[in-house]
Amino acid sequence: DAKTTQPPSMDCAEGRAANLPCNHSTISGNEYVYWYRQIHSQGPQYIIHGLKNNETNEMASLIITEDRKSSTLILPHATLRDTAVYYCIVRSLGTDKLIFGTGTRLQVFP
Amino acid sequence: GAVVSQHPSRVICKSGTSVKIECRSLDFQATTMFWYRQFPKKSLMLMATSNEGSKATYEQGVEKDKFLINHASLTLSTLTVTSAHPEDSSFYICSAAVSGTDSPLHFGNGTRLTVT
Repeated sequence: DAKTTQPPSMDCAEGRAANLPCNHSTISGNEYVYWYRQIHSQGPQYIIHGLKNNETNEMASLIITEDRKSSTLILPHATLRDTAVYYCIVRSLGTDKLIFGTGTRLQVFP
Repeated sequence: GAVVSQHPSRVICKSGTSVKIECRSLDFQATTMFWYRQFPKKSLMLMATSNEGSKATYEQGVEKDKFLINHASLTLSTLTVTSAHPEDSSFYICSAAVSGTDSPLHFGNGTRLTVT
């Protein structure tokens, strides 16, 4: 079973920051938080991942709370092309596999 | 970045025939590959884990004789849907990674299978 909880949908105005929350209250010490997104009829695209520190790359920032029970993916300046389903996934290095939850459908509007 | 290629992107077949889908890691060696299926407006469901040189591990409820997986090399895994029926119509997606690291899994672009 997926170990994460996300809101089913969110809206964001183009140019604004999109903040997507994820709850993973049962995460264990060796599990990473990964974020992917899926645009309609394509394979999931990797965005970012982290263990306990905040991370930033060219696509997004990942903020992980100190107790690691939740995280937020931040798209700093959302564009229409960021409209997609965003998945927050907890992954253990021991098993490698990713179990997808239901994700958040982000709609960016003009 | 790491690229996973999946082929074909779309296939239509008649009921009772078999269909093979290929998944290749183009610029890295994938010790482990994963196969997912996705129904419309639903999330990805893990079907099986494919390990190079050994038998695949199937998730509960997935028929291993129906969905044959072969991972003959570090860059290629295949999924064969045998004796396909209309209920097998779905979006099939593979992913690949180097096992035991935090390197992200990368996904193919999926195969849309339609069984008529």
